[in-house]
Amino acid sequence: DVKVTQSSRYLVKRTGEKVFLECVQDMDHENMFWYRQDPGLGLRLIYFSYDVKMKEKGDIPEGYSVSREKKERFSLILESASTNQTSMYLCASSRPGTGRTEAFFGQGTRLTVV
Amino acid sequence: AQKITQTQPGMFVQEKEAVTLDCTYDTSDPSYGLFWYKQPSSGEMIFLIYQGSYDQQNATEGRYSLNFQKARKSANLVISASQLGDSAMYFCAMCYGGATNKLIFGTGTLLAVQP
Repeated sequence: DVKVTQSSRYLVKRTGEKVFLECVQDMDHENMFWYRQDPGLGLRLIYFSYDVKMKEKGDIPEGYSVSREKKERFSLILESASTNQTSMYLCASSRPGTGRTEAFFGQGTRLTVV
Repeated sequence: AQKITQTQPGMFVQEKEAVTLDCTYDTSDPSYGLFWYKQPSSGEMIFLIYQGSYDQQNATEGRYSLNFQKARKSANLVISASQLGDSAMYFCAMCYGGATNKLIFGTGTLLAVQP
């Protein structure tokens, strides 16, 4: 059974803390993504990576950074957490190419910044 | 720029009836893919169905079918014979960025199936 696993389902952090969200996939996918989900806004792309050590900004990268040192692992970093980063974070992976290359998602991390 | 619009924030349907969830999209790319995902209350995103822009026939996957009208830029999801387990949030998404397969999502439709 293919899997994308996020390290935490729920996190509570304090304003100003450095926060790491971890994601691991076992499908040998080149592409990995971090999305943020907010009510009424759907999912928005924060960052994505198409290879080890390669990354590109998505639509809302401000306040975030990422790291991909190994193919299977993609980390999202909140350098200094703020209350407006309270949200659901979803990691996904997919193989490259066009056509039916659906993304597989993790179970999500609900982050609360207080 | 790409855009996905889902105009139905919430919908009710009776068990065993069919329901259509609306999705319109906007893109200037001639080649694109459209996806529907289901998100139950547990939070995971489940892939349901895919339609490619050059596909001649509407996609079907079991009880799910996609009513693809290219000229109108619509890609509505039809769920036949609704079940209680279909109650969830449904997202329409479009793939862009070539091989990188980035997705742009709509705002979602919350479907409630009533017994």
